[in-house]
Amino acid sequence: NAGVTQTPKFQVLKTGQSMTLQCAQDMNHEYMSWYRQDPGMGLRLIHYSVGAGITDQGEVPNGYNVSRSTTEDFPLRLLSAAPSQTSVYFCASSGTDEKLFFGSGTQLSVL
Amino acid sequence: GQQLNQSPQSMFIQEGEDVSMNCTSSSIFNTWLWYKQDPGEGPVLLIALYKAGELTSNGRLTAQFGITRKDSFLNISASIPSDVGIYFCAGQPRGGSNYKLTFGKGTLLTVNP
Repeated sequence: NAGVTQTPKFQVLKTGQSMTLQCAQDMNHEYMSWYRQDPGMGLRLIHYSVGAGITDQGEVPNGYNVSRSTTEDFPLRLLSAAPSQTSVYFCASSGTDEKLFFGSGTQLSVL
Repeated sequence: GQQLNQSPQSMFIQEGEDVSMNCTSSSIFNTWLWYKQDPGEGPVLLIALYKAGELTSNGRLTAQFGITRKDSFLNISASIPSDVGIYFCAGQPRGGSNYKLTFGKGTLLTVNP
């Protein structure tokens, strides 16, 4: 049972490049979400999904797109990376209660 | 949106000392959770609290759900070097979604052997 798996672990992009951060969970959780972590800012919610085919915006959605075609996968897309998107990104999932399970994170640098 | 005030922002202690940290809000929360993040890893759930006044322990960790439902406390007894990390409080506001948690900004704990 792997839990929440994120790839890649590290990524460096140039301004304007696009990329997709992958997230998969094997716990059959309906709820999945993406957070970014910046120094002194804590964890801020980017987008979330309450089930396949359903997504919604969180606190800081600008510059990011998501889709949820399956229960297991919830990729986060950066269409045109900007230096302000340099951050550590965490995917999380939960079942029927409030207990979030987090992946190990993706450290993204945009030059 | 809802905000949680977590304090202190950082702590530097000697091994063996006890640690206390807390989170407060201007709004009522239905659920409080405490997470720990080790360097280079994602947060891991330590304790979940569901009732006002509830006191729950997990080894050397004890957390309490405040009576007013607007605060929560985490205590670590007899700290050891592996307690180093960032501790986050998180909560589900009253009337909020079961899944959308609000997070504090974290307490960075350093333990000197």
